[in-house]
Amino acid sequence: LAKTTQPISMDSYEGQEVNITCSHNNIATNDYITWYQQFPSQGPRFIIQGYKTKVTNEVASLFIPADRKSSTLSLPRVSLSDTAVYYCLVGDPFYGQNFVFGPGTRLSVLP
Amino acid sequence: SQTIHQWPATLVQPVGSPLSLECTVEGTSNPNLYWYRQAAGRGLQLLFYSVGIGQISSEVPQNLSASRPQDRQFILSSKKLLLSDSGFYLCAWSASGGTLAKNIQYFGAGTRLSVL
Repeated sequence: LAKTTQPISMDSYEGQEVNITCSHNNIATNDYITWYQQFPSQGPRFIIQGYKTKVTNEVASLFIPADRKSSTLSLPRVSLSDTAVYYCLVGDPFYGQNFVFGPGTRLSVLP
Repeated sequence: SQTIHQWPATLVQPVGSPLSLECTVEGTSNPNLYWYRQAAGRGLQLLFYSVGIGQISSEVPQNLSASRPQDRQFILSSKKLLLSDSGFYLCAWSASGGTLAKNIQYFGAGTRLSVL
């Protein structure tokens, strides 16, 4: 299973762009990279998923370099409501049980 | 659209009492189902997953068990709760096959269990 490493915590201010980087040096060929967001006392919520290069949706962008050993979640113009824990997961989508949630990155957005 | 229901939202149980948490999914067939536990300030620990009725795989040996009596019903149980069973329990589902949804997991609202 691919192990991921992310910063434990980050601080930002409203209106700034936030980039959270995840390292996954032993990512396998069939592995996808998935990011989730979790608010206190709620279940995680899917944000974005990608395999290579760049993926963008209405919420975030995901940048994946050619070697795929890391990925960066980019949140444009964060607001106070973006304060949450963000998890990076790596795994083969055909084996959902192999997606491991680490401690995540606790993002605090300040006014 | 698909929805996932998990209950109860909170539960306070004495040590040694039994436990039954239920999770149901609507709007999809043959989902993959998962039970997670989350300790305060920690990541999620996968407890059980199921790819079909009666098919349960355990990730961590413990005081808990899971059952899937129907396609979209997943139950987490214990015969005798321990103090260490306290935590936030989450049920999740993902589409089987993986070709379209790429095994994205969708979570319920969770159950906060306190064992006293």
